[in-house]
Amino acid sequence: DADVTQTPRNRITKTGKRIMLECSQTKGHDRMYWYRQDPGLGLRLIYYSFDVKDINKGEISDGYSVSRQAQAKFSLSLESAIPNQTALYFCATSDQPIGQGATQYFGPGTRLTVL
Amino acid sequence: GQQLNQSPQSMFIQEGEDVSMNCTSSSIFNTWLWYKQDPGEGPVLLIALYKAGELTSNGRLTAQFGITRKDSFLNISASIPSDVGIYFCAGLPPNFGNEKLTFGTGTRLTIIP
Repeated sequence: DADVTQTPRNRITKTGKRIMLECSQTKGHDRMYWYRQDPGLGLRLIYYSFDVKDINKGEISDGYSVSRQAQAKFSLSLESAIPNQTALYFCATSDQPIGQGATQYFGPGTRLTVL
Repeated sequence: GQQLNQSPQSMFIQEGEDVSMNCTSSSIFNTWLWYKQDPGEGPVLLIALYKAGELTSNGRLTAQFGITRKDSFLNISASIPSDVGIYFCAGLPPNFGNEKLTFGTGTRLTIIP
């Protein structure tokens, strides 16, 4: 079984709808991240969490919210989806700060289309 | 937000050829990372670099952290079919702590039969 899972893998929704993307991990890591990938732009950090009580904004948090329900679960919500939120979304985990030798483990991604 | 300049955007090579790609930035970084992404999957870390001038290998892959701390390169020797994919560089700028990675735009590697 995969260490980092994301559900759903694909989702098509309409403008104005509320959407939740879910991430679960079995690696026992405290740190979890949500990224967005757009063609030609690389990955950009949306939110990250050091533990269930510590949530931090990333580079592009506007229009998104997150919930860390447990060490193993980190959800990303779009309260009112808009077309420019169409993208590939990745969840990742690590056990240490990235700059101190940690490896980030990425999930398989969720492809979201907002019509 | 800041983006890293990664080049080339795409490469078409024959099996067995060596590959070279690089990332440059106008700002300095404390850490450089190189990832590979296969279709339908998330990025996988290939090499991590933590000191200016550092040269690190992982099998046929070699990466270097530039002396100026504003660039990094990745070389792949004797390419094989499983090297096909998109390669991303990523850096940690010093003023954003240890979590806010900045990613390059990717280099798509294709092997021509």
